[in-house]
Amino acid sequence: SQQGEEDPQALSIQEGENATMNCSYKTSINNLQWYRQNSGRGLVHLILIRSNEREKHSGRLRVTLDTSKKSSSLLITASRAADTASYFCATDGNDYKLSFGAGTTVTVRA
Amino acid sequence: DGGITQSPKYLFRKEGQNVTLSCEQNLNHDAMYWYRQDPGQGLRLIYYSQIVNDFQKGDIAEGYSVSREKKESFPLTVTSAQKNPTAFYLCASRFTGPLHEEAFFGQGTRLTVV
Repeated sequence: SQQGEEDPQALSIQEGENATMNCSYKTSINNLQWYRQNSGRGLVHLILIRSNEREKHSGRLRVTLDTSKKSSSLLITASRAADTASYFCATDGNDYKLSFGAGTTVTVRA
Repeated sequence: DGGITQSPKYLFRKEGQNVTLSCEQNLNHDAMYWYRQDPGQGLRLIYYSQIVNDFQKGDIAEGYSVSREKKESFPLTVTSAQKNPTAFYLCASRFTGPLHEEAFFGQGTRLTVV
């Protein structure tokens, strides 16, 4: 079974709008990471948030983490057509097991 | 250039055959991972290794085998016991240590059973 589950499965927005996706997980974590995948390619790391952090920013990305609810969210502000991709959360356990969710497919319309 | 390389990009296998996917990294990373991705799905962990000569089963290890004889290399063998091997396979690597850093991914191998 997969550790993380993203919601929604798919998201379609207009260029310039914000995109928000959520990740829920089941067991304790060392940190939670977000990755992006363009169709048919490998994943690219976006941002890492540690279990003792609540919020982190990187450019147009904002990630939150609530360990009491075992959930995280990724916000992409002022979206661009180039943001069209699948986004995955990954939970990182203390044993270095890195487990991914099913992902959210984001389509940004011009 | 530093990076993680998977080969081949496309692989065709006849039913009943074993096939080995290559994953090499020159990033001096300690840990390496193999994932399987089916169309429209997320990544499922097959095997991972934190150190040379040691590896752990992931969530879907049945029908797969790995070795970690060198730090740079983590080949994955898809055996005839894997009933539905057609999928996109991704390899990743990263440093271990107290900071638990991000993983770097190869470009994947698309395996098709014919």
